[in-house]
This record gives sequence, C-alpha cells and structure tokens, in this order.
Amino acid sequence: NAGVMQNPRHLVRRRGQEARLRCSPMKGHSHVYWYRQLPEEGLKFMVYLQKENIIDESGMPKERFSAEFPKEGPSILRIQQVVRGDSAAYFCASSPPTNYNEQFFGPGTRLTVL
Amino acid sequence: QKEVEQDPGPLSVPEGAIVSLNCTYSNSAFQYFMWYRQYSRKGPELLMYTYSSGNKEDGRFTAQVDKSSKYISLFIRDSQPSDSATYLCAISGAGGTSYGKLTFGQGTILTVHP
Repeated sequence: NAGVMQNPRHLVRRRGQEARLRCSPMKGHSHVYWYRQLPEEGLKFMVYLQKENIIDESGMPKERFSAEFPKEGPSILRIQQVVRGDSAAYFCASSPPTNYNEQFFGPGTRLTVL
Repeated sequence: QKEVEQDPGPLSVPEGAIVSLNCTYSNSAFQYFMWYRQYSRKGPELLMYTYSSGNKEDGRFTAQVDKSSKYISLFIRDSQPSDSATYLCAISGAGGTSYGKLTFGQGTILTVHP
C-alpha cells in the first residue's frame, strides 16, 4: 500500500520561472493538503482540497500560488514567477474521507530558487 | 500570540531515559491533537492522534491532553537513539473551514545518545 507520493523530490528554478509540484494521495484518500516548511520555521498550512474543489485556501499567498486536485490525476501546486523567498520544502498530505485530522505526509519537494 | 507554542530545544538525553515533550495552545476551541515525528529531510510521520482530554498510549509513546490548561504532552519511555528526530505537535478542529487545517508547533529537536 503505497504512501503519499510527491514529485519531483528536488526542484531547482531560476527567479521568474514556474514551479509545478505534484502529489498523489494514498489509495482511498480523497482529501489533500499542502504545507510549506521554510528554513528555521515550522510547517505552515497552505490549502485543503477535495476532488475538483478547494475547501480552504486561507494559507495560500494571494498572488502567484494556485492549487488544484482534478477528477483524474494528481494534485498540483503551482507557483508562478518564483522568487528566492519561495525556496522551501513543500509537503503534501492526504487523509481518508472519514477523518480529515488523520493526515499522512509525503516525502516533500524541496524547491530551490536561484 | 502564536496559536501553538513549542520549545524548540534542542533536547539531549541518554538512551533509556523518559522524554517529555510539550506544547501549549491559545484557542480553547481546538479539539484534535496530534504528534508527528520528522527525521532530517523527510516528511512528518503521524505518531499519535487524540481527541479531547485524556491519555492515549501506543507502545513506548503516551500522548496526554489537558484541555483545561490548553497543554499537550508526548512521553517517550525507554528512549532509543532511533528516536532522535524533530517532534511536532499539531492541533485542529476549531470550527468552520478550520477543519482539516493543522496548525503546527515549531518542533522540538530531540537527540538520544547511546
């Protein structure tokens, strides 16, 4: 039973480029969450999605960041026109439909912006 | 005031010691309390999940919640070098769109030396 999968594991972008981070939830999980971990900071919630719906995006920066979880395929976190301050570890978690508090995390994508 | 406060440590103990990790939170409406373990450059791993006040035991780990004091604890008995990691407390369930949004403490860095 595979866990939460994220790819790529490491991503390097130059300032101004776009970053696309992918997340495949655990089998049977229909809820996906994205968190960001900045150096020397804790994990911060970004967005909570169900299939084709954004449930809570209160942690998403107002500009350049977007997320989706289509009916088919992985969830995507998209960062447009990256800046150095976007360098961080981005973690995806998933939960079963019966318990959104029991979240299982993937290995993360480490984004470096040059 | 941060929603969750956690002493970042670092905490260093000898093998076999009992470890006590703690968090305090500010909003009494939170209902769900989790502990995660994160090894260096890995994703957080769910250790314990509790609802409301009381104790929950799983092997060498005991999670304790005191809602009247807004204080949560994780105890590790017979600590092992493999327990060396960062331990993160997380809370959720304050109502409305906050369901599914985990709020994390800063994390406590634990080292268990042989």
